This record gives sequence, C-alpha cells and structure tokens, in this order.
Amino acid sequence: LAKTTQPISMDSYEGQEVNITCSHNNIATNDYITWYQQFPSQGPRFIIQGYKTKVTNEVASLFIPADRKSSTLSLPRVSLSDTAVYYCLVEVYGQNFVFGPGTRLSVLP
Amino acid sequence: DSGVTQTPKHLITATGQRVTLRCSPRSGDLSVYWYQQSLDQGLQFLIQYYNGEERAKGNILERFSAQQFPDLHSELNLSSLELGDSALYFCASNSGKSSGANVLTFGAGSRLTVL
Repeated sequence: LAKTTQPISMDSYEGQEVNITCSHNNIATNDYITWYQQFPSQGPRFIIQGYKTKVTNEVASLFIPADRKSSTLSLPRVSLSDTAVYYCLVEVYGQNFVFGPGTRLSVLP
Repeated sequence: DSGVTQTPKHLITATGQRVTLRCSPRSGDLSVYWYQQSLDQGLQFLIQYYNGEERAKGNILERFSAQQFPDLHSELNLSSLELGDSALYFCASNSGKSSGANVLTFGAGSRLTVL
C-alpha cells in the first residue's frame, strides 16, 4: 500500500487560500488519490479525487504533478467552517483504506 | 444523510461487558469497512467485508469480531470491554469494485463509552 505523508497541522486566516500537500512516493500506476474532510465527532466526508493533472469541483481543487508522487489539495478562500482534519488517501483497487494522521487545519478569524 | 446507517448512536456500558454495533451500508454498496477513532486520535482501520466475505483485516483485537450478513448489513461485536475501548466506531461503505477509484461513504458513527 502506498504510504502518505502530510503536515500534521496548518493555520490559516479567513479568506485565504490553503494548500495542503501530500507525499506518496510509492504510488502505483492504478492508484487514485482521494481527499477526505473530517469535523469533530463526525465521519470523514469525501472532498475530491484525482488520478493526474488537475481536478476541480465546487469545494476544492486537486493538483497532481506528472510523476504523481505528491498531490496538493487547494481550498480557495477558507472560512471558519473549513476548520477540520484533512486526510489524503491513495486507493489501491478498492482494497482496505488505511488513513494516516491527516492534517489538522485551523482557520482563524 | 450519507446513506450509511449506524446504530446505536451512543452506548454506555461497563468493563467486561459485550456490545454489538450495527451498520447498514448505502444502497447498492457491497463492501463495508469498520474504523475505530479514539479521542483526538486518527482513524484505525479494523476490518473490511465484501459481499459477506472478509476481505481485509487491520488492527482488530481478538476481543473484537465482525460479520456481514446476506442483506449486506454488518455487525461489529466488542467483548470483554476495557476502558481503552471507549471510542467512536465508524462504518463506511462503497461498491468494493476493483476500479481504483472507489470512494468511501461514512456513517455518523457509534460512540462507545466504557465505564
């Protein structure tokens, strides 16, 4: 299974763009990269998924370089409600999903 | 509502007791995953089932067991409970297909408190 590495915590201010980078050096050809968001006492929620280049939805953008050894989740103009833990996951053909410690994002007023 | 239903939402019990947590996956999903999350800790993968069969096992204690029934709902059994078993237990589901692009849908969790 590809192991992921992300910063343990990040601070930002309301209205700023936040970029969280995840390293996955051992990613395999068929692996997808998925990001989840978790609020306290709630289950993680899917944010975005990608395989290569750039993916954008109404919530975030995901940037994946050509070598796919890393990915960056970009949250535009964060608000206080974006304070949460963000997990980067590399999926392997629907096998068991092992979550790392994630990145604890704190958005300050 | 994510479509994944977990019961009970809250459970308080004593050390040494046994409890059963229940999960109904999202309609159409064949695979169920169980996770444990202790206070301010990460998500620990416990076990995965696909269409009634165990597919993967993580850091699940021998005191814990699980199964997935023909109607695809799953139960996680926790026995000889210890104080350290107090945690949020999440169930998640997906299609389980080997596409590499699967996404997990999580339930709201069952909060277990062992006194």
